[in-house]
Formats: sequence, C-alpha cells, structure tokens
Amino acid sequence: RKEVEQDPGPFNVPEGATVAFNCTYSNSASQSFFWYRQDCRKEPKLLMSVYSSGNEDGRFTAQLNRASQYISLLIRDSKLSDSATYLCVVNRRMDSSYKLIFGSGTRLLVRP
Amino acid sequence: DGGITQSPKYLFRKEGQNVTLSCEQNLNHDAMYWYRQDPGQGLRLIYYSQIVNDFQKGDIAEGYSVSREKKESFPLTVTSAQKNPTAFYLCASSRTSGLGDEQFFGPGTRLTVL
Repeated sequence: RKEVEQDPGPFNVPEGATVAFNCTYSNSASQSFFWYRQDCRKEPKLLMSVYSSGNEDGRFTAQLNRASQYISLLIRDSKLSDSATYLCVVNRRMDSSYKLIFGSGTRLLVRP
Repeated sequence: DGGITQSPKYLFRKEGQNVTLSCEQNLNHDAMYWYRQDPGQGLRLIYYSQIVNDFQKGDIAEGYSVSREKKESFPLTVTSAQKNPTAFYLCASSRTSGLGDEQFFGPGTRLTVL
C-alpha cells in the first residue's frame, strides 16, 4: 500500500463547477500536510498547507481529518487555469529531520 | 530574484555514461533535496542535505551520488549503476529540514538515456 494515496483522475469538469479531491495517508505520525499543484512538465508549487481546523484561500478549501487519516481539497468556481495535477503531500520524520511524501497526483481538466 | 536553477533542462546520454545534473539556489536555504519523478508516479526522494558538507540517502539512492561543498549548490551524479535513469529530476530547497518548512522546486531536468 502506498503511503499517500490519491485518485489519479482525470476529473473533467466544466468551468464554474465545484470539484473535490481526496487523499488518504497511512502514517499516523504525520504532522504536516500540503497540497501542491504541478502543471504539465513543470515543477510542483505549493498551493496551500492544510491545518487541523481546515483552511481556505480564495476558491480553495482544504480539510484534514486526522482520525480517518484523510485530506481533501475543494475548488469552487473552477477556472480553465485550474487545469493541472494536484499532489497531496504529507511529512514523515526521518532521523533528525522531516521528509515529504508525495502522492501520485490527481489530474484536473477544466473545459470551457 | 531568489530561486532555484537547474541545468540543463533536457539531457541525453548514452547508456553506461555518468552524468551530473546541476542545482543552484540563492535563497540562503540550509536544506536541499533531489527527487525523481516517473510518469504517473509521485516524487521519490533520492538524496537530501540538511546542511553544507552533509548529506543522507533517501528512498532510492542506489546508482546516484551527490556532494554539498557549498551551501548554494547540490549537484547530482547519475552513475552507470543506475538501472533505469531516464526520468524527470527535480531539485528542491527549504529553509531548514524542520517540520512544516515549505520546499521550493527548481524547473527540473529531463534525462533520457539512449
């Protein structure tokens, strides 16, 4: 079983739609959670960190459920420019530092 | 502008040759990382360095080597011992390797071994 699991998609939605991505992680000791966005053939970029209380940044809302080891990302009023792959990322302690564990990503296609 | 640069963007090599990928950052970050990404897969950690003159193996270090002689530079050598080297290689840095520190990525190098 992968340490971070995501539905690969693609999710194909019309402009203006609301779309939700889910992610599960297996290491209950994980303490930090992130969503990164990766455009085709580009590097990943941080979209938002995910906090226990849930957090919102404009059209994007992230939720964390520690008991179920589940993270979600909600995108409202989808734009064409939202088309990308969304990577769920959790951290894991490694000796005296922390490493990031990346999911394989969920691909989103927003159509006109 | 602060950031991370990787060169070259595309690299072609013959099987059996060693190749070195460059990664430079001017963000004054202590920690640097090398990842590999294959189609349909998540990023996998090859090597990381928490501080200059120190580095540790990640999950898939076999067939790779690194050095960290300067804070701003973390080159990766893909040796002939790496069985399947064709991949997208991403370098990243963070202020420290501590909890919650965001990692910033370079634009990547696409390596193709013929």
